[in-house]
Amino acid sequence: SQQGEEDPQALSIQEGENATMNCSYKTSINNLQWYRQNSGRGLVHLILIRSNEREKHSGRLRVTLDTSKKSSSLLITASRAADTASYFCATDAGSGYALNFGKGTSLLVTP
Amino acid sequence: DAGVTQSPTHLIKTRGQQVTLRCSPKSGHDTVSWYQQALGQGPQFIFQYYEEEERQRGNFPDRFSGHQFPNYSSELNVNALLLGDSALYLCASSPSQGEKLFFGSGTQLSVL
Repeated sequence: SQQGEEDPQALSIQEGENATMNCSYKTSINNLQWYRQNSGRGLVHLILIRSNEREKHSGRLRVTLDTSKKSSSLLITASRAADTASYFCATDAGSGYALNFGKGTSLLVTP
Repeated sequence: DAGVTQSPTHLIKTRGQQVTLRCSPKSGHDTVSWYQQALGQGPQFIFQYYEEEERQRGNFPDRFSGHQFPNYSSELNVNALLLGDSALYLCASSPSQGEKLFFGSGTQLSVL
């Protein structure tokens, strides 16, 4: 079963705008990760935030984590057409070695 | 430095057949995980191999089996294929204590 759920399912914005996608999960976690997938191929790791962290930045990416609400958000600033992809959150859920992925948010950035 | 490589990239099989998918991990990685991704869904964990042993298994039937070789490469075998096994199969590697996964481009399996 999917641990995380991303919201919205699909997002369409113009280049230069910011994109925000959210993730909710159900059980306690050690960390939460965000991945990107282009055209249904392999996933690329974007950023990892630990349960004791509240915010993390990497380039144009900003991730927040609220463990009390069991939710995370991914903000992509100044979006580019190349950011068009599906974005997934993944949690370890304390389950050992497996990562539990949500269904993803499909982001379309138009020129 | 080669990343994670998977073969084949595409495969078409019929119901009841058996399939073997292959994965070579990123250099320096000794742990291999397999995920199944149905169309429009997120990846689902199948199992993970470390030191040639299955270290953890997801909620998949015994028709799904795997193997890891001494060079850390891995195979995923699926027996008695069902139509519902049609999916993108992703291999991911990591160091043994690593949290971040490096994914291959996947094998697209179609069962007719």
